[in-house]
Amino acid sequence: GQNIDQPTEMTATEGAIVQINCTYQTSGFNGLFWYQQHAGEAPTFLSYNVLDGLEEKGRFSSFLSRSKGYSYLLLKELQMKDSASYLCALTGYSSASKIIFGSGTRLSIRP
Amino acid sequence: DVKVTQSSRYLVKRTGEKVFLECVQDMDHENMFWYRQDPGLGLRLIYFSYDVKMKEKGDIPEGYSVSREKKERFSLILESASTNQTSMYLCASSSEEGSTDTQYFGPGTRLTVL
Repeated sequence: GQNIDQPTEMTATEGAIVQINCTYQTSGFNGLFWYQQHAGEAPTFLSYNVLDGLEEKGRFSSFLSRSKGYSYLLLKELQMKDSASYLCALTGYSSASKIIFGSGTRLSIRP
Repeated sequence: DVKVTQSSRYLVKRTGEKVFLECVQDMDHENMFWYRQDPGLGLRLIYFSYDVKMKEKGDIPEGYSVSREKKERFSLILESASTNQTSMYLCASSSEEGSTDTQYFGPGTRLTVL
């Protein structure tokens, strides 16, 4: 099976940097996703890591370490609009197209 | 741009009613998915489909069925709605092509069963 753990809530200050961690226990997976979900809206794709290391996309970066069973999403220069839930997800081992989602981390940005 | 649409944003039904939730995608994606999302439980997969007329059970299929008669359309059916099916329902689609399995989501349907 696959277990994905993320903190339930985090708070950060506008303009600062925040790191959202995701740990998982799985026998294997193809890649790791991060999605952003604003309240009342659908999740939207942020990043996808297949290889170990850091993937940078503007203010957002995502890191993966398969040996440690660990990923993080790094958000820089935080803006109020970054207040959202951030979902960590793994592609299913048994099916390349099936994704298993974590419960998400609700990030609140304060002025 | 990928577009996934769902028939309703908000829906209120009574216990025992038959409920249809429709999802349409316009990107010729092979894969389509139905999830429900509840506070503290995250997204849970109900059913998915890899092709027309094909369906597979997800993690919580009980009380639900699906239909995929056309490639672009994937319907979720609650044969007899119950109050514990009050939830946000999200449809998603993805392509078999390319190196990722990125799923694109519709706006969601918030269903309340009274």
